[in-house]
Amino acid sequence: EPEVTQTPSHQVTQMGQEVILRCVPISNHLYFYWYRQILGQKVEFLVSFYNNEISEKSEIFDDQFSVERPDGSNFTLKIRSTKLEDSAMYFCASSEAGLGGKTQYFGPGTRLLVL
Amino acid sequence: AQKITQTQPGMFVQEKEAVTLDCTYDTSDPSYGLFWYKQPSSGEMIFLIYQGSYDQQNATEGRYSLNFQKARKSANLVISASQLGDSAMYFCAMREGADSSYKLIFGSGTRLLVRP
Repeated sequence: EPEVTQTPSHQVTQMGQEVILRCVPISNHLYFYWYRQILGQKVEFLVSFYNNEISEKSEIFDDQFSVERPDGSNFTLKIRSTKLEDSAMYFCASSEAGLGGKTQYFGPGTRLLVL
Repeated sequence: AQKITQTQPGMFVQEKEAVTLDCTYDTSDPSYGLFWYKQPSSGEMIFLIYQGSYDQQNATEGRYSLNFQKARKSANLVISASQLGDSAMYFCAMREGADSSYKLIFGSGTRLLVRP
């Protein structure tokens, strides 16, 4: 069964450093998303991406964040200068196009720790 | 106001019994979708079940069913014949609007513990 994959599974970085989180969405999906979950809290939407551009972004997704689809398979989230409060689990998700009940399928997540 | 409310931070259930996890939602959009995800201790988010706002029947997927009461704006998850492996966090989520590309809004989750 096709699935969303994410690398790395864990990342530890120093405050102020740049990190790139990578995702490979399900191959026939056209919509891509990033969500994050701070430890013990609810899952929060960051950004959605379609047709090589951002469809929607949340208030969390400020200028420190960027997304890219560098090739036909990868979808990346870059945090330019990490802050302590960026420590969270980051989930990539993807879905098919269309109306109705197209489910967003989540990857296993990348656990980011900023020291 | 909260869009998705899960009022049970934690629940216990005896193995082989059924359990209901509550979820209420708030939207003025006539077209929306409701989802349940399971998050085991390993951290991944596993899709369980989906209910569309125009679906006439309650969704079912194996041991999972969704008790959808539109007028009360509730979408409770029922797990029948609980198994030890059902112990996890469960999140209710909503997509407002008909387009599948729209973001999901999550509730705060319910931690379910299945007792042997």
